[in-house]
Amino acid sequence: NAGVTQTPKFQVLKTGQSMTLQCAQDMNHNSMYWYRQDPGMGLRLIYYSASEGTTDKGEVPNGYNVSRLNKREFSLRLESAAPSQTSVYFCATLPTSGSNEQFFGPGTRLTVL
Amino acid sequence: DQQVKQNSPSLSVQEGRISILNCDYTNSMFDYFLWYKKYPAEGPTFLISISSIKDKNEDGRFTVFLNKSAKHLSLHIVPSQPGDSAVYFCAASPNRDDKIIFGKGTRLHILP
Repeated sequence: NAGVTQTPKFQVLKTGQSMTLQCAQDMNHNSMYWYRQDPGMGLRLIYYSASEGTTDKGEVPNGYNVSRLNKREFSLRLESAAPSQTSVYFCATLPTSGSNEQFFGPGTRLTVL
Repeated sequence: DQQVKQNSPSLSVQEGRISILNCDYTNSMFDYFLWYKKYPAEGPTFLISISSIKDKNEDGRFTVFLNKSAKHLSLHIVPSQPGDSAVYFCAASPNRDDKIIFGKGTRLHILP
């Protein structure tokens, strides 16, 4: 089992460029999340998806869009990247039942110049 | 307004001693509390959790204490080991299926 995988691991963009961060899970979890981590800011929720086909905004959704086309995959899109979006992005999943322990991917380090 | 506060950005502890990481919260609706550990260039990993019906939860060297009246929880690591050097995030949520709110983290250094 790979758990939660994220691609790419690193990315450098120029201001105004677009890109999609990919997240996939093989744990059959219903809920998936996108966070960003900035120095001294902890983890902040961007968007989440409680189930396939549904998405909701988190704390910092501006400048991002998401897509949950199937149970396994949850993608995060930056339509027009800005330097303020330079960050490390983490995808996470939550099991359907049991504890509310989220499982995190290894992260994508994004730099916007 | 920060709902989950970790007021110590960093903490240094001698190997073998007890490490105590503190966390305060403001939202009285929080019922689930978690601690995550993060190494550089890796995703956070779940460490231990506690629900509001308990005041203590223990897992090996890790114990979490919850004081609901003070809106305070702490993570104790005994004895501290070099591999415990990491960033620790405190997190909370109103219920199991709700969004988790994370603190800013505390970097723990275990000194040889």
